[in-house]
Amino acid sequence: DVKVTQSSRYLVKRTGEKVFLECVQDMDHENMFWYRQDPGLGLRLIYFSYDVKMKEKGDIPEGYSVSREKKERFSLILESASTNQTSMYLCASSVNYEQFFGPGTRLTVL
Amino acid sequence: RKEVEQDPGPFNVPEGATVAFNCTYSNSASQSFFWYRQDCRKEPKLLMSVYSSGNEDGRFTAQLNRASQYISLLIRDSKLSDSATYLCVVIPSGSARQLTFGSGTQLTVLP
Repeated sequence: DVKVTQSSRYLVKRTGEKVFLECVQDMDHENMFWYRQDPGLGLRLIYFSYDVKMKEKGDIPEGYSVSREKKERFSLILESASTNQTSMYLCASSVNYEQFFGPGTRLTVL
Repeated sequence: RKEVEQDPGPFNVPEGATVAFNCTYSNSASQSFFWYRQDCRKEPKLLMSVYSSGNEDGRFTAQLNRASQYISLLIRDSKLSDSATYLCVVIPSGSARQLTFGSGTQLTVLP
């Protein structure tokens, strides 16, 4: 069975903190994605990666960076968290066009 | 104009009703189309792909109208378990990996 896991379901951080969100997939997929989902705005792509150590900016990369050192793991980093980064963060991996999502991390930045 | 637009709803329909959602896209060169379903507090999951000729999966029918640049999802004989948010998804021209998501249409099926 396909599985994408994310390190935390809920996270509360303070403004200025460095935040790491981890995502692991067990399907040997090459493509992995990070989205944020906000009411009325839908899912917006932050970064994606189509291979180890490769990354490409999505639609809203500002304030974020990513790391993909191993095929199964894709990390999202908030270098200095801000209140406007309070959101639901969803990781996905894909084969062909179907994306498989993790359960999401609800991040609150105070 | 957003790349993918959906009526956010909410659509509240009684059990057994037929309900239809539309989704418009702005890039006429978009190549692939999908409907995803997202249950409350859950992650999105692929519901069905949308083919040019239209396709059906049980009570669900998806259609594509390239001339008017919209896709539709029809649900017949609605069940309580159909209550969810339905996301329209488009793959823009030139992208093999990126999906563009609509903001979703919320459906509640009432007993």
